Amino acid sequence: KNEVEQSPQNLTAQEGEFITINCSYSVGISALHWLQQHPGGGIVSLFMLSSGKKKHGRLIATINIQEKHSSLHITASHPRDSAVYICAVSKGGNQFYFGTGTSLTVIP
Amino acid sequence: KAGVTQTPRYLIKTRGQQVTLSCSPISGHRSVSWYQQTPGQGLQFLFEYFSETQRNKGNFPGRFSGRQFSNSRSEMNVSTLELGDSALYLCASSRGRGALQETQYFGPGTRLLVL
Repeated sequence: KNEVEQSPQNLTAQEGEFITINCSYSVGISALHWLQQHPGGGIVSLFMLSSGKKKHGRLIATINIQEKHSSLHITASHPRDSAVYICAVSKGGNQFYFGTGTSLTVIP
Repeated sequence: KAGVTQTPRYLIKTRGQQVTLSCSPISGHRSVSWYQQTPGQGLQFLFEYFSETQRNKGNFPGRFSGRQFSNSRSEMNVSTLELGDSALYLCASSRGRGALQETQYFGPGTRLLVL
């Protein structure tokens, strides 16, 4: 059983659509990260959350600690948003778990 | 401010050899973490260094080791390479609270192929 589950695994959207990627985890966490990985391998950290909601441009991340669930929303999606999105959690600062990623393709 | 740099970017080795990868963090960052990414296992945490000391270690065999220098630059070493060590190795730096305890800044990665 994976400590971090992401859904969906793959997602194709039309440009302009609202997109939601989900992350559920089974361990108590001290922090949750949303990472973006473009083809070629480079990873960018989008958000770090321990509670509530954060917004950066067209991206919104929420976390519900009681339900052990986080969502990443992309509003007005664009082809440049095409990437793999990875949920990562830290437990106690010394145990780290990663989701398998959601591959997003945004079609013009 | 320069980002995280990793060298080399690509590497081909044969089984049994050893390899050393280098990571230079963002200036002022004192924590460096290393990750392995493979198609089968995804991202996995290798270890984290802070102030020249290993602070955390993932579940990898002793063939995987690392160190950090006084200028926060870090190296990781894999000895007796196996085919399964073929992967993208990523390092990330952060100010100092630790791996995934604060925003991580990732390098471009070193892609290692073991033949």
